[in-house]
Amino acid sequence: AQSVAQPEDQVNVAEGNPLTVKCTYSVSGNPYLFWYVQYPNRGLQFLLKYITGDNLVKGSYGFEAEFNKSQTSFHLKKPSALVSDSALYFCAVRHNFGNEKLTFGTGTRLTIIP
Amino acid sequence: NAGVTQTPKFQVLKTGQSMTLQCAQDMNHNSMYWYRQDPGMGLRLIYYSASEGTTDKGEVPNGYNVSRLNKREFSLRLESAAPSQTSVYFCASEIRASGANVLTFGAGSRLTVL
Repeated sequence: AQSVAQPEDQVNVAEGNPLTVKCTYSVSGNPYLFWYVQYPNRGLQFLLKYITGDNLVKGSYGFEAEFNKSQTSFHLKKPSALVSDSALYFCAVRHNFGNEKLTFGTGTRLTIIP
Repeated sequence: NAGVTQTPKFQVLKTGQSMTLQCAQDMNHNSMYWYRQDPGMGLRLIYYSASEGTTDKGEVPNGYNVSRLNKREFSLRLESAAPSQTSVYFCASEIRASGANVLTFGAGSRLTVL
């Protein structure tokens, strides 16, 4: 079975500071990893994904994520936070064969403080 | 291009009433999903349809039924609503259920069962 853990329910960061939202995963075989973002009263939107290759993945709105196989982590990062980055962030995993469904973490609420 | 459209956006039911949540996508996607989102629980898969003509149970199917009416439409029915089904429901679709494909989500349907 596959699973995702987001250890922090809430992350607060001052505007302009770097931000990190943590994610660890468990999956048999090699993973496909995703970050989705949810703004208030909206559906989830795709942010970025790791398939293979370069461990640093760049996505929308200046976000990036680093895949670390030895630590089974896929942390989301941004060098300089904006107030508009405040949202709910979900990490998700799927293994890279067959037609397994996507498994989501419980979400991390990111608040950027002006 | 509307993407994934869900109706209704809001609904209040009394215990025991029935209702159907509608979902339609216009992206010619093969796979469609119904999730529920609850605080602290993340997104949990209720039912999915890997392709037209097939449906399968997800993580939390009890109390729900689905119909894949055609390639575009995937409905979720609550036959006898219970307060535990108070939640925000999201429909999603992807080109096919595998690997690195990205889900597109609807805006959500907020259901309250009194």
